[in-house]
Amino acid sequence: DVKVTQSSRYLVKRTGEKVFLECVQDMDHENMFWYRQDPGLGLRLIYFSYDVKMKEKGDIPEGYSVSREKKERFSLILESASTNQTSMYLCASITSGGGYGYTFGSGTRLTVV
Amino acid sequence: AQSVSQHNHHVILSEAASLELGCNYSYGGTVNLFWYVQYPGQHLQLLLKYFSGDPLVKGIKGFEAEFIKSKFSFNLRKPSVQWSDTAEYFCAVLPGGATNKLIFGTGTLLAVQP
Repeated sequence: DVKVTQSSRYLVKRTGEKVFLECVQDMDHENMFWYRQDPGLGLRLIYFSYDVKMKEKGDIPEGYSVSREKKERFSLILESASTNQTSMYLCASITSGGGYGYTFGSGTRLTVV
Repeated sequence: AQSVSQHNHHVILSEAASLELGCNYSYGGTVNLFWYVQYPGQHLQLLLKYFSGDPLVKGIKGFEAEFIKSKFSFNLRKPSVQWSDTAEYFCAVLPGGATNKLIFGTGTLLAVQP
């Protein structure tokens, strides 16, 4: 089975801190995604990457950046955390054929205080 | 813009009741369609998917969905729900093309009362 691993399940950070959320997948998938999940809003795409060092903005990129230096790892960076970034963050990966849909990580619940 | 609509935000059913969750999408081309489920405290899991062929697809745990192209719909059904089906359900569309970007609906929270 493809595994997508997010390094932290729960995080509490202070306003203004720089926050790194890490995601690693073990099936050589080209495409990786970061979503945030909020009640009533579903999943909203923050950034995605279709290859190493390649990235594209999703629907809500403001306040975030990403890094993909290796194929298996896709990092989400909150440059200066704010309380409105308190959310569940989900990482996903998919092979370029698209075929079987995404595989999701278990999520990181981030609270910014 | 491409979008996915789930009309029911919160559904409450008794055990053994039948379930139908609506999903409509706005995209005129070829699509792949998915339903994901998120049980309390767990990560998103694939429930079922449609790529081509028979528009009635069967998934895990007795769920099925029907793709009706003329209605741009992909409704999820289960004849008899159980308490363990309590979860949030997300419809998602993968438009044809190279980006592999899934577009999600806002989710439907299903509560099944014993």
